[in-house]
Amino acid sequence: QVQLQESGPGLVKPSETLSLTCTVSGGSISGYYWSWIRQSPGQGLEWIAYIYYTGSTKYNPSLKSRVTISVDTSKNQSSLKLSSVTAADTAVYYCARLIGNTFDYWGQGTLVTVSS
Amino acid sequence: QSVLTQPPSVSAAPGQKVTISCSGSSSNIANNYVSWYQQLPGTAPKLLIYDNNKRPSGIPDRFSGSKSGTSATLGITGLQTGDEADYYCGTWDSSLSAWVFGGGTKLTVL
Repeated sequence: QVQLQESGPGLVKPSETLSLTCTVSGGSISGYYWSWIRQSPGQGLEWIAYIYYTGSTKYNPSLKSRVTISVDTSKNQSSLKLSSVTAADTAVYYCARLIGNTFDYWGQGTLVTVSS
Repeated sequence: QSVLTQPPSVSAAPGQKVTISCSGSSSNIANNYVSWYQQLPGTAPKLLIYDNNKRPSGIPDRFSGSKSGTSATLGITGLQTGDEADYYCGTWDSSLSAWVFGGGTKLTVL
């Protein structure tokens, strides 16, 4: 059974860079697309980006200028960096596997709060 | 304002049936597969329906999906209190070049 686990700081200061890692277990990161999705408190889901295991990427145009997504196949990990954060970036960040047109496996999510 | 429009809430009694609509446009639902996700309180979303009407292994046949034109529908029969959750539809939007989700529908089983 594929499992995803997000990790990273739970508190980030305004204007700094948010950095998260998604570790995949129970399966290989190779052969699949991996995505990041966030959910602001009490709000809906917002897709951030996805990356193929080869490194090709696709970003949400609304966040593209601030987002970098990467993959490390040797560690079975995907990483997300979001720069110049503000309070509006406070959210639960999820990583998910994208297969076809579907996010079939999700991590449990990690809450990131942007505050000084 | 979400690209895909869902009713904020629906409710029904245990054992009854409910449907949740997801309205989009020609750039998203009409020309791409729709998936549905269930988010129980305090948990991550879970895949419920993919490719408009397919159920992953382990999802009971009480859950069904359909699509027609620019709208999709999630149906749940034999409602149980454990079905109380937020439900989201999602698909690719070719104009935005982005994955988009509905705003979510809160299901209450009275």
